[in-house]
Amino acid sequence: KNEVEQSPQNLTAQEGEFITINCSYSVGISALHWLQQHPGGGIVSLFMLSSGKKKHGRLIATINIQEKHSSLHITASHPRDSAVYICAVRSNTGNQFYFGTGTSLTVIP
Amino acid sequence: EPEVTQTPSHQVTQMGQEVILRCVPISNHLYFYWYRQILGQKVEFLVSFYNNEISEKSEIFDDQFSVERPDGSNFTLKIRSTKLEDSAMYFCASSETRLDGGRNSPLHFGNGTRLTVT
Repeated sequence: KNEVEQSPQNLTAQEGEFITINCSYSVGISALHWLQQHPGGGIVSLFMLSSGKKKHGRLIATINIQEKHSSLHITASHPRDSAVYICAVRSNTGNQFYFGTGTSLTVIP
Repeated sequence: EPEVTQTPSHQVTQMGQEVILRCVPISNHLYFYWYRQILGQKVEFLVSFYNNEISEKSEIFDDQFSVERPDGSNFTLKIRSTKLEDSAMYFCASSETRLDGGRNSPLHFGNGTRLTVT
């Protein structure tokens, strides 16, 4: 069973497009993370959310705790945004983390 | 900006051998984690460590695995007798505070160690 589901699995966009990646989870959580994994494999933490909305540059992350859903938005997408975006949640019953399978984003110039 | 560093970046070992993957977390962080990612698959949680003991571990983290903080800076993952299916990228991460109480703190990941078991 997958505690975290992401959609879409793959996404191709033209440079400048507005992008949305979705994450749904089935467990109680204390925090949700959006991570970016570069082609070389390194992982960078973009956001950690427990409620509401956060913005950093062209990236916006929202979470709806009642609906167990989060979205990551990228405005004015750029080829350097091409990466795998991973949603991960931390269970509220311990220190266990669950990861989504990732969304592979390709932004074409 | 402080970083989590992992060594080596790539380790090749023969089946049955012991390997130790090393991590230096960010110096004022208190919580340490190991994750793995088998090629083409999702990242999986292995273990979390706080106050010199394991705070949680997944089903993957069986008796073949152990973690240690041998000194004030290093955090190691040992695989006692490697199997082919242990081939994966292993990520270390650290965070400043516990994530489920008090001030939340983001995870900081190392660049990973690619382990290849032949």
